[in-house]
Formats: sequence, C-alpha cells, structure tokens
Amino acid sequence: KAGVTQTPRYLIKTRGQQVTLSCSPISGHRSVSWYQQTPGQGLQFLFEYFSETQRNKGNFPGRFSGRQFSNSRSEMNVSTLELGDSALYLCASSLAGQGVNEQFFGPGTRLTVL
Amino acid sequence: AQSVSQHNHHVILSEAASLELGCNYSYGGTVNLFWYVQYPGQHLQLLLKYFSGDPLVKGIKGFEAEFIKSKFSFNLRKPSVQWSDTAEYFCAVNANTNAGKSTFGDGTTLTVKP
Repeated sequence: KAGVTQTPRYLIKTRGQQVTLSCSPISGHRSVSWYQQTPGQGLQFLFEYFSETQRNKGNFPGRFSGRQFSNSRSEMNVSTLELGDSALYLCASSLAGQGVNEQFFGPGTRLTVL
Repeated sequence: AQSVSQHNHHVILSEAASLELGCNYSYGGTVNLFWYVQYPGQHLQLLLKYFSGDPLVKGIKGFEAEFIKSKFSFNLRKPSVQWSDTAEYFCAVNANTNAGKSTFGDGTTLTVKP
C-alpha cells in the first residue's frame, strides 16, 4: 500500500505570496491532518479534515486554510506569506480519526519564505 | 488542553549504552500515546503506540515504552543503543475521542557515538 504522499517536496516563495500544498492520504484513510514543524516551535497542529469537513483546528491565523476533496486528498493554503512561515509542513492520514487510530506521516513539504 | 513534556532535549550515548527518554503528558481523559522517530532527512515513523491493555508496549527496532497512568508518563527505553539509532524522537498524545489531532513534545535528539 502506498504511503502518504506530499507535493511539492520543496518550495521557495517570497513574502506576500501565497502557496498551496497537496497531500494524498493512504488509500482508505478519510482523516487528513496538517502539522507545521520548525526548530523553535516543534510540531504544531494546524487542522484536520474528515469527510471534506474541517473537524479540528489549531491556533494558527486565518492565513492558513485547507480543504479536502471527495477522494480524501487535501490541500493546504497559506496566503500573504511571512518569513516565519518557513517550515516543514507535514501531512498525516488515519482511518477515521476517532478511537483507536494512529496517524501515518508523509515526507513533508519544505517551504522557504525569502 | 493536551500538553506533552519531554525532559531531555539532547542525549549523547555510546553504543551499547541503555536509553531512557522521559515523556509526561497532561490530559484529563482517555488518551492514545505514541513515540515517533525522525532519522536525518527522513519522515516521521511510528516506533510504538499505546491504546489500552498491557502498559508495557514493544515497538520496532528493540524499543519499548511503559505507560504509567498515575504518573501521566510514557517513557521510551532501549537496553542497548546502536549508532543507527541516532535520530530525533518525539512523544505524542491524542485524545481517544479526537485522534486526528495529536500534540507533540518538543523532541529529543539522540546522538549515539560509535
């Protein structure tokens, strides 16, 4: 079974631009979560989507948004990029997101904001 | 709110030494507990997990962890480390009713000297 895939793997943007990251979960997984990983803040939860609905949300500004499609693929968008948005963005999928479930992580998208 | 505390930020050991990494969490309900490992340049991989039952869980590569409910702890152990165990280790928790949102500790960097 293929793992979680994320595209692109690397991105370089400038301040003020916007960016869209993509995540394809493991086949059959309906829950997709996004995390931001930085050296200073560690792994921070952004949001979770389940059945095309945002089910959980972390403490990030409204510039960070996401969506999920009917095939469970998810996209994350960051508008008006700031230098501090430079990070590794990780996507994780799980079967249903409740109860006894573990998350499987993708390789991440490394975003650099100049 | 959930929180996770990892006591050691950086641990340096010689090969064959024993390892114990501390993890304490804060949450009032039923939790799922995880240890993840991130090798240099690779994505997060699950080492082991605890959902219920035997509080001593065994994972991959000879790692084990013990859940002590009264201490809100989930410490990771390995009797004899190898150079290839050099990596960053993350403890994580999610609520049994909200498994799509995980809270991670800050991570512990383990360096094993050959």
